[in-house]
Amino acid sequence: KAGVTQTPRYLIKTRGQQVTLSCSPISGHRSVSWYQQTPGQGLQFLFEYFSETQRNKGNFPGRFSGRQFSNSRSEMNVSTLELGDSALYLCASSLTFRGDKNTGELFFGEGSRLTVL
Amino acid sequence: SQKIEQNSEALNIQEGKTATLTCNYTNYSPAYLQWYRQDPGRGPVFLLLIRENEKEKRKERLKVTFDTTLKQSLFHITASQPADSATYLCAPQDSNYQLIWGAGTKLIIKP
Repeated sequence: KAGVTQTPRYLIKTRGQQVTLSCSPISGHRSVSWYQQTPGQGLQFLFEYFSETQRNKGNFPGRFSGRQFSNSRSEMNVSTLELGDSALYLCASSLTFRGDKNTGELFFGEGSRLTVL
Repeated sequence: SQKIEQNSEALNIQEGKTATLTCNYTNYSPAYLQWYRQDPGRGPVFLLLIRENEKEKRKERLKVTFDTTLKQSLFHITASQPADSATYLCAPQDSNYQLIWGAGTKLIIKP
């Protein structure tokens, strides 16, 4: 079955702009998590969605937001881009959300590499 | 705060030898710990999960140990091959089952 699909794979923006990234989870998976990865840093958790509801949120400013649709597809948005937002943004899907005592593996997409100039 | 430490320096290993990667955690006691592999420009791929009551877990050439006293997990690849070259990420789960990620260790297997 198809894996997690993220679009776009690469994008370049300038400071002050906004960006929207998309994630289609594996069929049947209802939980989508978003992570930011920068060189030398571990994956930083942004937020997790399940059944169109945000279930958990990481320690990021309000410029970072997300949503999930009824078909489990998810989008994240970053407004007023800053140079420090340049990173690989990863989406991961799983059957259920972590807080549901989920110890299962995460299935990651290839990521969206954002460069802010 | 919860902290995960992995070897920050790249690990260079000769082909055929055993590679051992270390993951240390502080300020919490995870009941589960996962290991992932990440290739350049790709998303992480799940390898193994180990529970706190399991001292050791094996999968083909991979072995993971979990020492809750030392607050440490070791990840071993036996008979290493150049294709094993990648970054390996350790991710213990917190009490809310969220994964807390280490920065990863880059493993280079030399022919």
